[in-house]
Amino acid sequence: NAGVTQTPKFQVLKTGQSMTLQCAQDMNHEYMSWYRQDPGMGLRLIHYSVGAGITDQGEVPNGYNVSRSTTEDFPLRLLSAAPSQTSVYFCASSTTSRRDSPLHFGNGTRLTVT
Amino acid sequence: SQKIEQNSEALNIQEGKTATLTCNYTNYSPAYLQWYRQDPGRGPVFLLLIRENEKEKRKERLKVTFDTTLKQSLFHITASQPADSATYLCALGGFQKLVFGTGTRLLVSP
Repeated sequence: NAGVTQTPKFQVLKTGQSMTLQCAQDMNHEYMSWYRQDPGMGLRLIHYSVGAGITDQGEVPNGYNVSRSTTEDFPLRLLSAAPSQTSVYFCASSTTSRRDSPLHFGNGTRLTVT
Repeated sequence: SQKIEQNSEALNIQEGKTATLTCNYTNYSPAYLQWYRQDPGRGPVFLLLIRENEKEKRKERLKVTFDTTLKQSLFHITASQPADSATYLCALGGFQKLVFGTGTRLLVSP
């Protein structure tokens, strides 16, 4: 019963490098999302998806791309890393896109951009 | 603009006491509110959901209230234990999105 799995757990990038943060869920959840968590800022929504082939922007989408080719996977791509993207990234999923569906979170990827 | 406020200072209480955490919001009319627990180095874990037409919700030692007039939710942990030490986040429901507060850290000492 894995739930939401995120890889890697830690990553260090140099400014300008690109990378993909992986997220997979085995609960057949329709809704998936990416948040970043910064001290004093709380969790902020980057992108979300209400089903395979459908994605939309959240509160802070700039510098990030997503795709949802399968129900299980929702990777987050950093196109050209910047120090401002140093953060902890969480992937979350829920049964449906209904507003009252609880979110199931992964344990995060801690990213440092130097 | 929408704002969610949780006490940024840690709440320190003794084991066995009731912990009360506050979530205030402005410029927002959420249909529901959720509470999550987050341990260091881990993702948030869902605890409770309360809808706007519910005044109170309970689950074991947890109780949540939701006052849409005061724009406030209170989260209570009765008979607190050291294992309850964590950061607690409130989140307000919007269309397909949740907006999170910054969380309050709870420390329960033996």
